[in-house]
Amino acid sequence: GAVVSQHPSWVICKSGTSVKIECRSLDFQATTMFWYRQFPKQSLMLMATSNEGSKATYEQGVEKDKFLINHASLTLSTLTVTSAHPEDSSFYICSASREGYEQYFGPGTRLTVT
Amino acid sequence: GIQVEQSPPDLILQEGANSTLRCNFSDSVNNLQWFHQNPWGQLINLFYIPSGTKQNGRLSATTVATERYSLLYISSSQTTDSGVYFCATDWGGYQKVTFGTGTKLQVIP
Repeated sequence: GAVVSQHPSWVICKSGTSVKIECRSLDFQATTMFWYRQFPKQSLMLMATSNEGSKATYEQGVEKDKFLINHASLTLSTLTVTSAHPEDSSFYICSASREGYEQYFGPGTRLTVT
Repeated sequence: GIQVEQSPPDLILQEGANSTLRCNFSDSVNNLQWFHQNPWGQLINLFYIPSGTKQNGRLSATTVATERYSLLYISSSQTTDSGVYFCATDWGGYQKVTFGTGTKLQVIP
């Protein structure tokens, strides 16, 4: 089956710094990648959708200047949390898909901002 | 947007028992997936089931798209089945997936 990886698995950073999370589709070319956020004991919320080579589409309420998404190739998308604050602490999950196929999810990245 | 509700929100089972988890969605969908999120947070894809019935070992799923619901059956539950089960639907023609509210399952020995 299709495999999606994320790096890092977990990260701790200080308030005010930026953190980059990578999402890679290892054995297929993903036309679309998605970023989700999950707070403790809650469901996953879609943050943004990105297509290779074009700007990401952000969901309502998601600050695009704070959560920078780059989809540089068909196998890599990155999410950068800029000027992180403790309220940005969360579990971030990416997914990747080929058109017409199901989405494959990465293992997630746990971000803790101190 | 689409609403995806799951029931029950919490479920405690004795090991070996069977259970049925339900997912209701408020609009027509392109497909539906079931996931198991383990205690470490990893999402494991269980079924991709826009309609009909599929089985994989002790798990099976049925989606009745015309009536806007899907069911996940777990038979002979094991402690390793514990975690949160999510259904998720892809709708709107943009592959935007909306996750359900989740069912937290705890299987006790």
